[in-house]
Amino acid sequence: DIQMTQSPSSLSASVGDRVTITCRASQSINFFLSWYQQKPGKAPKLLIYAASTLERGVPSRFSGSGSGTDFTLTISSLQPEDFATYYCQQSYTAPSFGPGTKLDIK
Amino acid sequence: EALLVESGGTLVQPGRSLRLSCAASGFLFDDYAMHWVRQAPGKGLEWVSGISWNSVTLVYADSVKGRFTISRDNAENSLYLQMNSLRPEDTALYYCAKGRRSGPNDPMDVWGQGTVVTVSS
Repeated sequence: DIQMTQSPSSLSASVGDRVTITCRASQSINFFLSWYQQKPGKAPKLLIYAASTLERGVPSRFSGSGSGTDFTLTISSLQPEDFATYYCQQSYTAPSFGPGTKLDIK
Repeated sequence: EALLVESGGTLVQPGRSLRLSCAASGFLFDDYAMHWVRQAPGKGLEWVSGISWNSVTLVYADSVKGRFTISRDNAENSLYLQMNSLRPEDTALYYCAKGRRSGPNDPMDVWGQGTVVTVSS
């Protein structure tokens, strides 16, 4: 099974900040990596798939990069609605999620 | 608009069985893979099982393999999860999710609001 790790596990930032979250796979997953956003009490929302493709309707301040084992999610200028938990997920084999990164307001 | 509505979650004793359902609407159900993903209270997301558009490919997390069975009825636009030999660690909010494409290894682009399963004596 492919294990996913994320860093940091939590992050405090301010509106307008640039934020980067890292995801690492235990073996190469090519570019089969997605990012999800989850707000409290809500279902997850797909943000990015294929490592860098923005899902329809997702603001362009979100971007993804990476391939192989190392990936990043970047939010270029944090907005109030971006404070949430972010999960990476590999789909190279049977899907698995990272443990999540909680982004809160500083 | 694509919509997924889960049902069937309840309080159940350890060792018993339960069947979850997911009703889909607003998209061509039989074109897409479907998944179950769960989230234990206060914890992260755990993928549980996925099924291809034609039910040929079924995949399971190791934690549920041999106990849970995923199935779908394309005529009824419905997804199911039969859960047997339930354990307290199966307690979670169970989400139904639509795959972006037909195979079970694709990301999930539409999610329901979930149904709660509590396994306790």
